[in-house]
Parts: sequence; C-alpha cells; structure tokens
Amino acid sequence: QKEVEQNSGPLSVPEGAIASLNCTYSDRVSQSFFWYRQYSGKSPELIMSIYSNGDKEDGRFTAQLNKASQYVSLLIRDSQPSDSATYLCAVNTNAGKSTFGDGTTLTVKP
Amino acid sequence: DAMVIQNPRYQVTQFGKPVTLSCSQTLNHNVMYWYQQKSSQAPKLLFHYYDKDFNNEADTPDNFQSRRPNTSFCFLDIRSPGLGDAAMYLCATSRVGGQFTEAFFGQGTRLTVV
Repeated sequence: QKEVEQNSGPLSVPEGAIASLNCTYSDRVSQSFFWYRQYSGKSPELIMSIYSNGDKEDGRFTAQLNKASQYVSLLIRDSQPSDSATYLCAVNTNAGKSTFGDGTTLTVKP
Repeated sequence: DAMVIQNPRYQVTQFGKPVTLSCSQTLNHNVMYWYQQKSSQAPKLLFHYYDKDFNNEADTPDNFQSRRPNTSFCFLDIRSPGLGDAAMYLCATSRVGGQFTEAFFGQGTRLTVV
C-alpha cells in the first residue's frame, strides 16, 4: 500500500462545476495535510493546508480532513479553465518530511 | 521576492560527468529537501536536512549526494549521471517546530543527460 494515495485521474469537469479530489494516507500519526497545484513544467504551489478534522474554506477551495478515516479531500467550486493542473496531496509526519501522492490531473473544459 | 532559488533552471550534462545543482533560501527554514520528479510522476524525496542532520531515503541511489554548508544553501551532487537521472529536481524548505508548515518549492532545475 502506498503511503499516500489519490483517486486516479484524469478528472474532467465542465466550467462552473465542482471538482472533487480525494486522498487517503496510511500513517495514523500524520499531523499536517496539504494540497498543491502543479502546472505542467512548473514546481508545486500550495493551495490549502489543513491540520484539524473538519472543513477549511479558502475562496473557491475547501479542504476536508477526517483523521479517523485517514482521508483528506479538496473541493473546487465554480471550476475555471485556469484550474486545469495536477493536484498533489501531501502528508507530513513528525519527522517533518512531506510524502506526496501521485497526483490527480484535472481538466476544466470551457 | 524569490524565497527558494534554484540554479541553474536548466542543466545539460554528459553521461557520467559529475553535476551539482544548487538551492538557496531566504526563509531561514530549518528543513531543506531535494525531490526528483520525472514526467507525470509525483515528486520523490531523495533526502532532507533537518538543520545539519542529514536524512537519506532508503531507496536513494548512492550516486546522489548532498551538502548543506549553512542554513541558506543546499547542494545536490550527482556523481555519475545516467540517462535515467534526467528529471526535474525540486528543492523545498519548511519550518519544523510546533505546528508543521508547508513546503516552499523553488522553481526547479530540469536536468538533461546526453
């Protein structure tokens, strides 16, 4: 089992729809959870961070964390073509290192 | 305001010729990471420094070495690059202590081996 698993893509949604990205992790002691967006040929950039169970909203983005189920998700409302990218889920343990999932490629069609 | 700077952005090296990639940071973060990312794959952690403590991933080839002479700088040395080492190399930093923070990435160095 991979340490961090993301739902296989690619994911395609029409402009204005909600895109839902999912991630599960295996290490129960994980404390910090992040979603990064990576455009082709560019480095990852942070979209959301979440540390506590529940929802965290920032503009069109909502991260959801359920530590009991070892599950974290990212919802993108009112998806725009500029949201088309690969989304990486990352999990940090006490050791401080980030372990990444394989990423889900999102395409938002105009 | 660049915070994590990688040089060069693009590097072409010959098969077997040693190459060094550099990373500097202005964030004063105590952790620095080197990731390798190949096309359509997730970033793969090679090693990281927690202050001066070096942490090597178990599956990182011996061909890859790293140096961190001070808080601001970190280097990735590839002793004998092979064709399979062509990839994007990402340097990142984070501040670890109390609540952990996200990783800040540099723009990456794309390595081509010819």
